[in-house]
Amino acid sequence: NAGVMQNPRHLVRRRGQEARLRCSPMKGHSHVYWYRQLPEEGLKFMVYLQKENIIDESGMPKERFSAEFPKEGPSILRIQQVVRGDSAAYFCASSPPDRVREKLFFGSGTQLSVL
Amino acid sequence: AQSVAQPEDQVNVAEGNPLTVKCTYSVSGNPYLFWYVQYPNRGLQFLLKYITGDNLVKGSYGFEAEFNKSQTSFHLKKPSALVSDSALYFCAVRDYTGAGSYQLTFGKGTKLSVIP
Repeated sequence: NAGVMQNPRHLVRRRGQEARLRCSPMKGHSHVYWYRQLPEEGLKFMVYLQKENIIDESGMPKERFSAEFPKEGPSILRIQQVVRGDSAAYFCASSPPDRVREKLFFGSGTQLSVL
Repeated sequence: AQSVAQPEDQVNVAEGNPLTVKCTYSVSGNPYLFWYVQYPNRGLQFLLKYITGDNLVKGSYGFEAEFNKSQTSFHLKKPSALVSDSALYFCAVRDYTGAGSYQLTFGKGTKLSVIP
């Protein structure tokens, strides 16, 4: 049973470009969470999605950031017009539908570098 | 609002000695508490959790944690440290009120270095 898969592992973008980060949850998991980790800081919650629904996006910046989890395919975190401050590690996690309040399974993350 | 504090940025311990990584939390309802470990360039790995029941929780790799409601603490412990335990450790809390907050709030992490 493959774990949570994130790609790419490293993504380099120039200021103003778009970044797309992908996350495939573990098999059987229909709940996806995105977290951002800045240097010397812990993980900050961004968004929680179920298939085709955004449940909680209270941690998402109001502009330029969006997330989706379509019926088919991976979850996508999209950052438009990236700025240097967006440089961070972005982690995706998943959980099964009947244990949403218990442990999360994390991917290895995408390191976004904005030049 | 829920929050987690890890008062130590770094903990150094000699191999074979006991280790403690401290965590205190704040929630308005009942807490679900977790410890995760992060190795360099890797995602977080689950170590252990407290939901209900015994205050002493045993987890992976010989780690354990003690839930103390009066002190709102959930310190991570191991009787004998290994060099391979060197990593970044995160405490996390989720407020279980029944209506449900799905956010897992993390502390800033504590870097554990085990010295041979």
